[in-house]
Amino acid sequence: QSVLTQPPSASGTPGQRVTISCSGSSSNIRGNTVNWYQQVPGTAPKLLIYNNNQRPSGVPDRFSGSMSGTSASLAISGLQSEDEADYYCAAWDDGLNGQVFGTGTKVTVL
Amino acid sequence: EVQLLESGGGLVQPGGSLTLSCAASGFTFSSYSMSWVRQAPGKGLEWVSGVSGGGGGTYYADSVKGRFTISRDNSKNTLYLQMNTLRADDTAVYYCAKGGRLIAAGKGFDIWGQGTMVTVS
Repeated sequence: QSVLTQPPSASGTPGQRVTISCSGSSSNIRGNTVNWYQQVPGTAPKLLIYNNNQRPSGVPDRFSGSMSGTSASLAISGLQSEDEADYYCAAWDDGLNGQVFGTGTKVTVL
Repeated sequence: EVQLLESGGGLVQPGGSLTLSCAASGFTFSSYSMSWVRQAPGKGLEWVSGVSGGGGGTYYADSVKGRFTISRDNSKNTLYLQMNTLRADDTAVYYCAKGGRLIAAGKGFDIWGQGTMVTVS
């Protein structure tokens, strides 16, 4: 089972700001960087945020990442219909000596 | 164009074996770590295994340790996953993903394949 915990769902109307949390521990989030992925059902995941708060080329600046202690957050501002997808956090875990993913959050645009 | 293309998925009986391949193109394959990530039907993402750029470092999730073996052939720009003693709960779409130069670095998996389905039944 996942060692990074996310809320199962989040929602907002177009234009709103939505925040997704990712709770971990000292062996993963506190000691290593967090990455975020977006997955539209039926397609491969896409890297959204790396190194806690960096956006790959092509990712809109509506997406931002932050972290504090053993938790990380992904914020989507100016929510758009195409943002409807599943979102996963991930980090290296020093105790498990492997990558761990969050439980995933389904974002719905109302 | 940077691309990953998986192959080798299919239907296998419990206890059987299967080998997945992932052909890479468009980047210096040997310079980057690679991983396999799977997704069971209707479930979330699960990291399965990773390998360093040179192939000397291999890492596994506890759920597959001792049953799966990751390897790479840098001369062929290809990543492999040998899966033995397959169980029903190994049923999933298996993705290969390009990581950073260091396996534990924070660059994330920036390139993903389209996935290959493995069904154990």
